[in-house]
Amino acid sequence: SQTIHQWPATLVQPVGSPLSLECTVEGTSNPNLYWYRQAAGRGLQLLFYSVGIGQISSEVPQNLSASRPQDRQFILSSKKLLLSDSGFYLCACAEGVGTYEQYFGPGTRLTVT
Amino acid sequence: DQQVKQNSPSLSVQEGRISILNCDYTNSMFDYFLWYKKYPAEGPTFLISISSIKDKNEDGRFTVFLNKSAKHLSLHIVPSQPGDSAVYFCAASARGFGNEKLTFGTGTRLTIIP
Repeated sequence: SQTIHQWPATLVQPVGSPLSLECTVEGTSNPNLYWYRQAAGRGLQLLFYSVGIGQISSEVPQNLSASRPQDRQFILSSKKLLLSDSGFYLCACAEGVGTYEQYFGPGTRLTVT
Repeated sequence: DQQVKQNSPSLSVQEGRISILNCDYTNSMFDYFLWYKKYPAEGPTFLISISSIKDKNEDGRFTVFLNKSAKHLSLHIVPSQPGDSAVYFCAASARGFGNEKLTFGTGTRLTIIP
């Protein structure tokens, strides 16, 4: 079964600073990868998903971006953080085409001050 | 536009009784549904799923019911245990469109009272 690693676990960043969150997956090949955000008291909002290296689809226009430099690595970035970027960021993976069960990493708590 | 809705933000149930969590959806293209459980500061854990060709799926203490005509699904937990206290999310997908995305509801916080 797959294992999803995310780091850092918590992060406090000032407004206007850059961001880089990393997700790596073990135990599967060519997975679909996803970035979600859960804002305080809210549901899970899909931000980006990827079906392969270099293939990124954005769900929500914003100042975040994602990249997939390797098959099992997914990175969420920002050049300049906003206060509204605070939240709990989750990486998820699914086995690939035709698989809908997604498995989540432990998450990163981001606080923008 | 919230396509998957969980109208009860919270629910309290006595230990040993049945917990029923509800979820409604508006997109008639959704044909696969999932429930996730989430503890604070952790990622969600997949619980159970159901395809639109079924109206019921069971896995141990967890049963999911789907009413397609009403666009409604529910998760039954019997008997409820203290470890079931968590936030539960329902999610839906429209399969066969070339991307495997899930749309999540806003969650219901379940508290099991000992």
